[in-house]
Order: sequence, then structure tokens, then C-alpha cells
Amino acid sequence: ETGVTQTPRHLVMGMTNKKSLKCEQHLGHNAMYWYKQSAKKPLELMFVYSLEERVENNSVPSRFSPECPNSSHLFLHLHTLQPEDSALYLCASGQGVTNEKLFFGSGTQLSVL
Amino acid sequence: QQQVKQSPQSLIVQKGGISIINCAYENTAFDYFPWYQQFPGKGPALLIAIRPDVSEKKEGRFTISFNKSAKQFSLHIMDSQPGDSATYFCASGLFYGNNRLAFGKGNQVVVIP
Repeated sequence: ETGVTQTPRHLVMGMTNKKSLKCEQHLGHNAMYWYKQSAKKPLELMFVYSLEERVENNSVPSRFSPECPNSSHLFLHLHTLQPEDSALYLCASGQGVTNEKLFFGSGTQLSVL
Repeated sequence: QQQVKQSPQSLIVQKGGISIINCAYENTAFDYFPWYQQFPGKGPALLIAIRPDVSEKKEGRFTISFNKSAKQFSLHIMDSQPGDSATYFCASGLFYGNNRLAFGKGNQVVVIP
């Protein structure tokens, strides 16, 4: 276990649904990240939170809405997604001061029908 | 714009052989170069990393070779084992700062007995 837990592991949703992905870290880190992993593409950074404040938003469509209520929890709210949004969504945490050693969760495999 | 390019895309190696995967980066300001290892159903995990003050770093059977002038670095897996079969991602970025770490597309390594 990496100390970063993501739920659910798998999610199938229709384009009109609203769902949320959850991430929890027990490592005492103060930075949390959402990444999108698609086949044969680089890991794509979506959002960065440091000390619960969003510090980076990589031109992600507004149908993805992050929330970081505290330094241990991170959510990704999903609504009106498109089939091309189907991917593995990874949460990671880190110290925040450096990029050294990000700890990733196992991800949520999302399928949009 | 792909900031990090990995090659080859996939690699099949005999048990006991040497696996070599390469990474090229673009931004000369970057000073942190990690390799992450990902097994099926898991998130990426930091395997080994290097900073440009050294040209080589070794940890067990894994070695990073770094060529600053060519803007390239590579991962060597000595005495490859079936348990090393995984996808390997290189990344590059700034060591200090909690913002983007540019990842490559990943190399799939298969070690056959």
C-alpha cells in the first residue's frame, strides 16, 4: 500500500450522470494531485492542490471539478462527461515543497458510455 | 507539445538480460529526472531518480545514466527478472516546486523466463 487510497476502483457512468472520485492520503503530505492516464499517452496532470489551495489547473474542461476540503482528502466531481474522458484517473500526494517522490493511488478506471 | 519522449515503446527481454529504456527531455532548466514503475492495476511508484550533478546513479539492479549535453537519460535494468515486467515512465521537471512534472508515454517491459 502506498498510503494513498482511491475509491471507487471502477466506475461506469452515462454522459448525463454526476459522480465523484475520492482520494485519501495518510502520509502527512500537504500537496495532492489529479492525473489522467490514457493508453499510449503521457500521464496528464489535471490539478494540483497545495495546503488545500488549488495552485494549478491545466486547462481541464469544466465538466471536471476538483475539491480539496483538507490536506488529507481530494475529490474529483464529474458531470456530463464525454466518452473520450474514459481513462484511469490517478490521485497522488507529495511533500509540496519539492517534486521528489510522488505517491500514487491505484486509480479509478472510468468508463463513460 | 511532448516535453519528454521515451523509447522504445515496448521491450521484450530474456530473464537475466539487460533492459535499456531511454528518455529525452526538452527543457534545459529541468533538474530532476525520475523513473516510475507501474504494475497492472496499480499506480506508478518511484523507482529511482537522478539530478544533473551526477552522470550515473545505481540502486540495486537499476541504474540511471544521465547525459546533460544530449538532454537524455536512460534506465538500465541489470539481470532482468520476470517480476520486473511492468510499464516504466520517465519524467522531468524542477526539483523544487510542487507544480508539473512532465511524464513520458511509458515503456512496457516484458521479461520472459
